[in-house]
This record gives sequence, C-alpha cells and structure tokens, in this order.
Amino acid sequence: SQQGEEDPQALSIQEGENATMNCSYKTSINNLQWYRQNSGRGLVHLILIRSNEREKHSGRLRVTLDTSKKSSSLLITASRAADTASYFCATDRKGTDSWGKLQFGAGTQVVVTP
Amino acid sequence: DGGITQSPKYLFRKEGQNVTLSCEQNLNHDAMYWYRQDPGQGLRLIYYSQIVNDFQKGDIAEGYSVSREKKESFPLTVTSAQKNPTAFYLCASSSRGGESYEQYFGPGTRLTVT
Repeated sequence: SQQGEEDPQALSIQEGENATMNCSYKTSINNLQWYRQNSGRGLVHLILIRSNEREKHSGRLRVTLDTSKKSSSLLITASRAADTASYFCATDRKGTDSWGKLQFGAGTQVVVTP
Repeated sequence: DGGITQSPKYLFRKEGQNVTLSCEQNLNHDAMYWYRQDPGQGLRLIYYSQIVNDFQKGDIAEGYSVSREKKESFPLTVTSAQKNPTAFYLCASSSRGGESYEQYFGPGTRLTVT
C-alpha cells in the first residue's frame, strides 16, 4: 500500500496564482520529499524536509511538515505554465531496514494555463 | 554530463518473452532502484541495491530479476512470469550516507507487451 496520499488528485489554475497540494502519510518518517514529473519523463527532486523541521523554502516552493498530523503541504507561488506537471510526495519511513527506500504517493496533477 | 541513462525509451515485446531494461549512472552513487509506474499512479519499488553484488526485493518483485555486477549499472529483466508487464519503468540512484537521500531519476522506459 502507498504511504503517502496526495490531495487533490488534480488542480487547474491560471498563471500567477498559487498552487497548494497536500500529502498525508501513515507511519513515522525520517524525512519527506517532493518530486515533480513532467508527462512521460523521469522524476525531478524538488525539496526534502526532515522530521524535525516544520517549514522549508526553495525559490517559489514552500513546504510544511506537521508530524503530529502526519501531513505535509507543497505551495508553489506565482505559478507559471512551466509548472504544469505531476507532483509526488515520498516518505522515508522510520524503522525501515534500508535508508533511502522511499514510498511514493499517487501524485497531484497540476495544470497551469496562461 | 552526470546523470542516469535508461535505454531504450520505448520497448515492445510479445507475451512470453523476457526483456532486459538498461540503467546506467555516472554519479558515483552506491544505491540504485527500479520502480514501476502505471497510469495515474505513483511509483512502486521493484528492486533496490545498496552496493555492488547485493540487491533486495521491493514491494512488487515477483516476475522481475536484477543484477548489480558494476556500480554504474543495474539492469532489470522483466520475465514472462510477470503477469502484467506493460508499464513505465523508472530507474533511480542515490548516494550513500550524507544528510540527503534524494533520488536522481532516469528518463524512463515505456514497455508494451502484447
């Protein structure tokens, strides 16, 4: 079963608007990561937030993590058409026998129209 | 240029045939991973390897096999025992140790079995 569940499944916004997507997970984690996937391509790492961090920024990206609620959010500010992609959260679960073994959610498909 | 390459981009096979997907990295990463992605879904881990000559089953290893004879290479064989092999296959790698376990992905191989 998948560890992370993204919400919403799909999001359509106009250029310049902000896009927010959420990820919920089930078990304790070491870190949570967000990836982007353009259609038919490989995934690109966006940002990693550790379990002892609450917020992290990278350019137009802002990620929050609430370990008490087992949830994270990704905010893309001032979106551009080039942000059109699927966004996945992935968790590195605590207690697993191998580091780096990630569990991916089903993703949020974001469409940004000019 | 450092990165991960996968070949071929598209692969077509008849049912009952084994097929091997190539994955090569020149990032000097110790760990490598194979994922399967079905339409509208997240990634599911097939096999992973932390070090040369060692690999472990992921969540959906049945019908697949791998080898790790060289650090740079982690080929995946989809055998005739895999019941539903048509999918998008992604290879990834990550470094051992350090603070960040972000994974670097190849461009993927789309396998169609008829």
